Amino acid sequence: AQTVTQSQPEMSVQEAETVTLSCTYDTSESNYYLFWYKQPPSRQMILVIRQEAYKQQNATENRFSVNFQKAAKSFSLKISDSQLGDTAMYFCAFLYSGNTPLVFGKGTRLSVIA
Amino acid sequence: EAQVTQNPRYLITVTGKKLTVTCSQNMNHEYMSWYRQDPGLGLRQIYYSMNVEVTDKGDVPEGYKVSRKEKRNFPLILESPSPNQTSLYFCASSLSRAGISNQPQHFGDGTRLSIL
Repeated sequence: AQTVTQSQPEMSVQEAETVTLSCTYDTSESNYYLFWYKQPPSRQMILVIRQEAYKQQNATENRFSVNFQKAAKSFSLKISDSQLGDTAMYFCAFLYSGNTPLVFGKGTRLSVIA
Repeated sequence: EAQVTQNPRYLITVTGKKLTVTCSQNMNHEYMSWYRQDPGLGLRQIYYSMNVEVTDKGDVPEGYKVSRKEKRNFPLILESPSPNQTSLYFCASSLSRAGISNQPQHFGDGTRLSIL
């Protein structure tokens, strides 16, 4: 079974600074998808960024980018120019392309400080 | 507006009293799923559905039932709720399976269930 580990339960960053959230996963599969979701205090789940394992290029969405290291099974999220609105719980998630559930990590609570 | 609607948003009930949490999406999505979120455990998938009349167990299906009689609706049923089912529940839908495509999963706003 696949597992996802987020080793940082809580992090904080100064506004306008850069922060990196770590995520590692365990799988024997070669084709899969990785996601970062954001959950602000409103509790909504918002997709931040996704990465297909077969793509070597790291995904980027505006201030959000990932460092995908397939051999190391690592998928970190970098947030540049942090904003107060980035304060949220962030979840890393893994999906095998076969018929299996989406697996989430336990989350990292990020606080952006003014 | 594209959305996933869950009802109720909050519910406090007692052990053994059957309850249903409804989920409806207006995006003609084929894939729908239910998750529960617990502190320190993240989100865990309960059940999912690839299409009408097709449902599969997720990681934590025990104590839950689902049905998919129509494409837009995917209710979560607790036949005999117990206190360990107290949790925050999310319904989600996507055009295809959980993110396989350029279309992301859309989540509902969550339902907080308390079973006394």
